Amino acid sequence: QVQLQQSSTGLLKPSQTLSLTCVISGDSVSDNTVAWSWIRQSPSRGLEWLGRTYYRSNKWITDYALSVRSRMAISPDTSRNQFSLQMTSATPDDTAVYYCARGRSAIRAFDVWGQGTMVIVSS
Amino acid sequence: DIVMTQSPDSLAVSLGERATVSCKSNQSVLYNSDSKNFLAWYQQKPGQPPKLLIYWASTRESGVPDRFSGSGSGTDFTLTINSLQTEDVAVYYCQQYYNSPWTFGQGTKVEIK
Repeated sequence: QVQLQQSSTGLLKPSQTLSLTCVISGDSVSDNTVAWSWIRQSPSRGLEWLGRTYYRSNKWITDYALSVRSRMAISPDTSRNQFSLQMTSATPDDTAVYYCARGRSAIRAFDVWGQGTMVIVSS
Repeated sequence: DIVMTQSPDSLAVSLGERATVSCKSNQSVLYNSDSKNFLAWYQQKPGQPPKLLIYWASTRESGVPDRFSGSGSGTDFTLTINSLQTEDVAVYYCQQYYNSPWTFGQGTKVEIK
C-alpha cells in the first residue's frame, strides 16, 4: 500500500522560503510509471496544481504551473525516497494546505495523496 | 489554462435518492487518438485529502462503490451518486489532465436533505 507522509504544519513570514517534504512508502520516487506532484488548496484559489517531478528514460523531469514557475523548485531525493518543494519569496497569498500526490501514468489522475500540510504565511 | 466549472455549488439530496454533479470544461478534454476523456472525479471530506473516485471520465477506481458513476465526453461531464448514503456527504471535484497545468473545478458540496 502506497503512502505519502508530509512534514508538519509550517508558519513563515513574508519573503521567506517555504520548504516541504513528502516521504514515500510502498513505491519508489524513481518509479518510471508515476509522477510526483505538489498541489495546494485554499479558500481563494481552490485546488491548484503546482508542479511535478518524474523519472523517464534515465533522467529526471520537472514541470511547473506558470503561476509559480519562477519561485518554485521540486526535487527528488532517491537516497531517502522522497521529494521536496521549495517556494521562495512567500506571500500571504501562499497560505494554503499543501498536498503531495502520485499520478500513475496508466490513469494520469492523482491516486494517492499525502495528508496535507497547513502552511501559514503571516508577519 | 483549461477552466473547469462545476454546478451546482451545493446540493441537498434525501438519503437513498440520486445526486448529480455537472462539470464543464472550456475546451475539449477528449484525446481523439484513443477516445479517452482526460477527466477525473474526487471526493473530499473535511480534514482529509481528496480521494480519487473516477478517471477517464467513467472508470471507477478500485474499491469505489458502484453507486458512483461518471459519464460525458468532450466538454460536458456528470458524476452521479445513486442511492445517496450518509458517508457520501462531501465536496466533489472534477479535474482535467488533458493539458498542463492540470486544473480542478471549484467543487460541489453534497449534503443530506
